[in-house]
Amino acid sequence: QKEVEQDPGPLSVPEGAIVSLNCTYSNSAFQYFMWYRQYSRKGPELLMYTYSSGNKEDGRFTAQVDKSSKYISLFIRDSQPSDSATYLCAIYSASKIIFGSGTRLSIRP
Amino acid sequence: DAGVTQSPTHLIKTRGQQVTLRCSPKSGHDTVSWYQQALGQGPQFIFQYYEEEERQRGNFPDRFSGHQFPNYSSELNVNALLLGDSALYLCASSLHTGATNEKLFFGSGTQLSVL
Repeated sequence: QKEVEQDPGPLSVPEGAIVSLNCTYSNSAFQYFMWYRQYSRKGPELLMYTYSSGNKEDGRFTAQVDKSSKYISLFIRDSQPSDSATYLCAIYSASKIIFGSGTRLSIRP
Repeated sequence: DAGVTQSPTHLIKTRGQQVTLRCSPKSGHDTVSWYQQALGQGPQFIFQYYEEEERQRGNFPDRFSGHQFPNYSSELNVNALLLGDSALYLCASSLHTGATNEKLFFGSGTQLSVL
């Protein structure tokens, strides 16, 4: 079983829609959870960083961690074409980052 | 303030050759990590360098080696290249704090193609 699993998509939604991206993880000891955004031909960029359970909001982005079900989510409100990218969930394990495989998101104008 | 810079941006090699990739960390950072990202996959951890020593290593063979210089820049070397080594190689830098949750800043990567 992979430590972090993520639906690869692709996911295509119209501009203005609410987007939900999800990952599951295997080890209940994980405490630090992240979402990275990666544009084509670029390196990943840290979007959201969450410790333990609960929600964290930053503008149009909300990260949610449910430790009871080992489920992490990223919600994007009022999605824009500029949000089109690959979104990678990630967790800290033994001082290194383990990434999911990424979900490719396309926002249609 | 320069971010993480990597060179070259693209590289084409043939099987069996050796390659060296270079990385300069973000200003103020002292730790460099290398990741391999195959097409359609998330980045996979190769190793991390701090104080010119390899501190952690992922599940990669000894053909992958690295170095960190006194100015914190780093090199990734891959010997005896295989077709499966074709990938985007990402360098990430951070400031060592001793915590387990240091935030990483990534460069744009080096796209390596092995023919």
